[in-house]
Amino acid sequence: DVVMTQSPLSLPVTLGQPASISCRSSQSLVHSDGNTYLNWFQQRPGQSPRRLIYMVSNRDSGVPDRFSGSGSGTDFTLKISRVEAEDVGVYYCMQGSLWPLTFGGGTKVEIK
Amino acid sequence: QVTLKESGPTLVKPTQTLTLTCSFSGFSLSTSGVGVGWIRQPPGKALEWLALIYWDDDKRYSSSLKSRLSISKDTSKNQVVLTMTNMDPVDTATYYCAHSAAGYWGQGMLVTVSS
Repeated sequence: DVVMTQSPLSLPVTLGQPASISCRSSQSLVHSDGNTYLNWFQQRPGQSPRRLIYMVSNRDSGVPDRFSGSGSGTDFTLKISRVEAEDVGVYYCMQGSLWPLTFGGGTKVEIK
Repeated sequence: QVTLKESGPTLVKPTQTLTLTCSFSGFSLSTSGVGVGWIRQPPGKALEWLALIYWDDDKRYSSSLKSRLSISKDTSKNQVVLTMTNMDPVDTATYYCAHSAAGYWGQGMLVTVSS
């Protein structure tokens, strides 16, 4: 199985400051069709996960543009340009290139 | 508008079989490329894909749980059913169904395994 490793586990951030989460995969996520199926999810307390980013860098509808995704191969990053109070929660990366699909262990974003 | 909703028992006893149903709307499982899957999350822990079924009846399972899982679909009813045998307290979790691309999720349901 592809192992997805996120860092840090916990990320205290000051409101208005940037935040960055890293996600590394144990093998390349480039699919045989040439695409890279790396997604990012936000899970607010008590809620279902919500997809923010698909295929590395594409924002889902309604996702604020302060969220951005980048990376390639085995190394990916989610960035929040200016953290707002509503961004508190746990963030997960997930690879959809190889079955079984796998999630990272999560990064908890909290306000300092 | 795409919606998904999980249903089933909230409490099962150890060794019993769990059967969960995902009822969805806003898309069809007969459309090429579409799938519906199940994901679980133990309390305070990370997410785990369990199974996925595609429009062409291709089925995929978690490596570690494959022997205990079965997924099926009823396209006419817009439903996907997951069964998990030999339930154990460690299987206590919130179970979600999701569109294959995981862009849409159900609200989830907590299933507790306890005698």
